[in-house]
Amino acid sequence: NAGVTQTPKFRVLKTGQSMTLLCAQDMNHEYMYWYRQDPGMGLRLIHYSVGEGTTAKGEVPDGYNVSRLKKQNFLLGLESAAPSQTSVYFCASRTGHGYTFGSGTRLTVV
Amino acid sequence: KQEVTQIPAALSVPEGENLVLNCSFTDSAIYNLQWFRQDPGKGLTSLLLIQSSQREQTSGRLNASLDKSSGRSTLYIAASQPGDSATYLCAVRETYNTDKLIFGTGTRLQVFP
Repeated sequence: NAGVTQTPKFRVLKTGQSMTLLCAQDMNHEYMYWYRQDPGMGLRLIHYSVGEGTTAKGEVPDGYNVSRLKKQNFLLGLESAAPSQTSVYFCASRTGHGYTFGSGTRLTVV
Repeated sequence: KQEVTQIPAALSVPEGENLVLNCSFTDSAIYNLQWFRQDPGKGLTSLLLIQSSQREQTSGRLNASLDKSSGRSTLYIAASQPGDSATYLCAVRETYNTDKLIFGTGTRLQVFP
């Protein structure tokens, strides 16, 4: 099915561990985004990309890195996880006005 | 800095009621405004998009209005149904940085039979 696929759907990390969240889209969209959603705070933009090979910082980029080596993939990395990074992470892609969101990754850092 | 606020944070109503959800934003220099629906454990689904030059958009039982000068948008849901139960989010794209969406905190709606 066409859309945005996030991997994994759930993950528990220990403080200090690293991991990579994968976002894949098959709609040939130029723009891709990573958001985090915390209770009472809405969705906040972490990093985004306006095309293959580009990345830019969003509202809350600290502690995260991203890469867009292929147009269809946008990777979000946590080098040294902290409990404050416990959240639900959403990836989205966009063409024109239309956004397509993935179903989220629930990450818990203990 | 643009801030988007949604009131109420939660709403519980009986089936059949007409509802109004509110969204306000602090900077009127917006490119467009979107309303999304989020179901538990799922991603976001776009419901309606209003360009800055428009006053309203309609889709089925949903109607969204935009008053840019006062920094407000409303989502009207007619004849609510239990299947409308979800969290509703509004988000704005700013005129001078159209790459990003800025989200409100959402209204959690429950419609009971």
